[in-house]
Amino acid sequence: KNEVEQSPQNLTAQEGEFITINCSYSVGISALHWLQQHPGGGIVSLFMLSSGKKKHGRLIATINIQEKHSSLHITASHPRDSAVYICAVRPNSGGSNYKLTFGKGTLLTVNP
Amino acid sequence: ETGVTQTPRHLVMGMTNKKSLKCEQHLGHNAMYWYKQSAKKPLELMFVYNFKEQTENNSVPSRFSPECPNSSHLFLHLHTLQPEDSALYLCASTSGSGRVVDTQYFGPGTRLTVL
Repeated sequence: KNEVEQSPQNLTAQEGEFITINCSYSVGISALHWLQQHPGGGIVSLFMLSSGKKKHGRLIATINIQEKHSSLHITASHPRDSAVYICAVRPNSGGSNYKLTFGKGTLLTVNP
Repeated sequence: ETGVTQTPRHLVMGMTNKKSLKCEQHLGHNAMYWYKQSAKKPLELMFVYNFKEQTENNSVPSRFSPECPNSSHLFLHLHTLQPEDSALYLCASTSGSGRVVDTQYFGPGTRLTVL
């Protein structure tokens, strides 16, 4: 079982819908990242958070450290939001300071 | 434009070939990373360099050989690869000491196909 689980694996929405992507992890962490990968491969870092909530434009990321869970929300979704959204965590105990553990990603398709 | 460039963007090579992937960052960062992304699998960290010194080798086979001549450039030398090495290879960089809590800036990737 992967240490980082994302749900759903695939998500199709209509333009304007509110979208939620979930990330659960099984270890203590010092930080969680949300990344966006468009077709063609390029990855953009959206958020890095260790507690609470962050907002950037139509994107909101929340994290509950006690429940080991994070959500990424997209309000008023648009076809240009179509991408793979990846959750990654930095485990607290052991291992390298540089090593992130990644989820498999959620493929979001927003139809016009 | 993320400030991290990779060349080539696509590469097809035979199992006996030798080729190199190049990454350059224009952000003044000190740490650079190589990741492998295979179909249907999570991103896997391969190597990390911090101030030109290798600080992480994630049990990568020796047919992959990294080189970091300075903090702005990172290479991945490839030789006698296997078809299962076909993947998207991504370079990333971070500022400061390279702590993972820093935001990572990714290049566009090199799509590698090994025949």
